[in-house]
Amino acid sequence: KAGVTQTPRYLIKTRGQQVTLSCSPISGHRSVSWYQQTPGQGLQFLFEYFSETQRNKGNFPGRFSGRQFSNSRSEMNVSTLELGDSALYLCASSQGQGLSGVNEQFFGPGTRLTVL
Amino acid sequence: AQKVTQAQTEISVVEKEDVTLDCVYETRDTTYYLFWYKQPPSGELVFLIRRNSFDEQNEISGRYSWNFQKSTSSFNFTITASQVVDSAVYFCALSEAGDYKLSFGAGTTVTVRA
Repeated sequence: KAGVTQTPRYLIKTRGQQVTLSCSPISGHRSVSWYQQTPGQGLQFLFEYFSETQRNKGNFPGRFSGRQFSNSRSEMNVSTLELGDSALYLCASSQGQGLSGVNEQFFGPGTRLTVL
Repeated sequence: AQKVTQAQTEISVVEKEDVTLDCVYETRDTTYYLFWYKQPPSGELVFLIRRNSFDEQNEISGRYSWNFQKSTSSFNFTITASQVVDSAVYFCALSEAGDYKLSFGAGTTVTVRA
């Protein structure tokens, strides 16, 4: 089974621009989560989608948004980029079923975003 | 609010030594899930284990073992006979039932020297 794929792997943008990151989950997985990893703040949860519905959202400004498509692929968008948005953005997929909360999440390799 | 604390920032050992990583968590929920992930230099987080709050049975899997104690809110992880390939950052994480998110600790960097 193919793992979680994220594109692009590396991205350089300038302040004020916007960016879209893409994530393809493991086949059969219906939940996709996004996390931001920085040296200062560590790993922080951005949002989680299941069957095209956002079930949870982290404490990030409205410039961060996401969506999930009917094939479970997900995108996240960051508008009006700031220097502090430079980070590794990780996508994770899981089966996402039931009320038990987070199942085992399988992470992609991440997208390294640098904002200049 | 849920919180995960990994007090050890860095651990350096010589190959074949045992390494124990500490994790203390805080939650008000009675049903929750605990995880350990490994992040090698390549950057990808690798899932190691998931335990639920009502299963305190400890487990050994190869060179890895886990010690879950609800009484002290701890979920420690041990690597026995460490190898150079075990060098990575290890993260403990917590998820409350119905929350659909992981709250991570700050991570512990493990360096195994040959």
